[in-house]
Amino acid sequence: AQTVTQSQPEMSVQEAETVTLSCTYDTSESDYYLFWYKQPPSRQMILVIRQEAYKQQNATENRFSVNFQKAAKSFSLKISDSQLGDAAMYFCAYRSPTGANSKLTFGKGITLSVRP
Amino acid sequence: NAGVTQTPKFQVLKTGQSMTLQCAQDMNHNSMYWYRQDPGMGLRLIYYSASEGTTDKGEVPNGYNVSRLNKREFSLRLESAAPSQTSVYFCASRRTSGSKSYEQYFGPGTRLTVT
Repeated sequence: AQTVTQSQPEMSVQEAETVTLSCTYDTSESDYYLFWYKQPPSRQMILVIRQEAYKQQNATENRFSVNFQKAAKSFSLKISDSQLGDAAMYFCAYRSPTGANSKLTFGKGITLSVRP
Repeated sequence: NAGVTQTPKFQVLKTGQSMTLQCAQDMNHNSMYWYRQDPGMGLRLIYYSASEGTTDKGEVPNGYNVSRLNKREFSLRLESAAPSQTSVYFCASRRTSGSKSYEQYFGPGTRLTVT
């Protein structure tokens, strides 16, 4: 079974600075998808960014980018120019190859606080 | 476009009571999911339905039952609630067709407390 590990339970960043959230995963599959979700205090789960394992290029969405290291099974999220609205819980997630029965496996999450 | 809706948003039950959490999506998605979120545990899959008419157990199915009523609706039932089922419950849905992997959409969650 696949596992996703987020070893840092909490992190803090100064507003306008850059922060990197770590995630590692374990799988024997060669094709899969990785995601970062944001959960603000409202509880709503918001997709931040996704990465297809077959793509070598790291995904980028505005201030959010990932460092995907397939051989190391590492998938970190970098948030640039941090804003107060970035304060939230962030979850890393893995999905096995496409198909109706493929499911998301989540890490335990990391709480990010942003200092003004 | 409402997306994924869940009712109720909050619920308090006494041990042994039963209840059904409702979930509906208006995106014509094939697959639907129920998760629970506990502090320090992330989201764990309870049950899922890959398509209308099918349901399968996830990681933590004990104490729960589900019904995929139609393509839109997927309900989660607690037959005899226990304090260990105090949690936040999320419903999600996803389009699954062809070879592309589509984004999973989440409902707003239901906070359930069992006393």
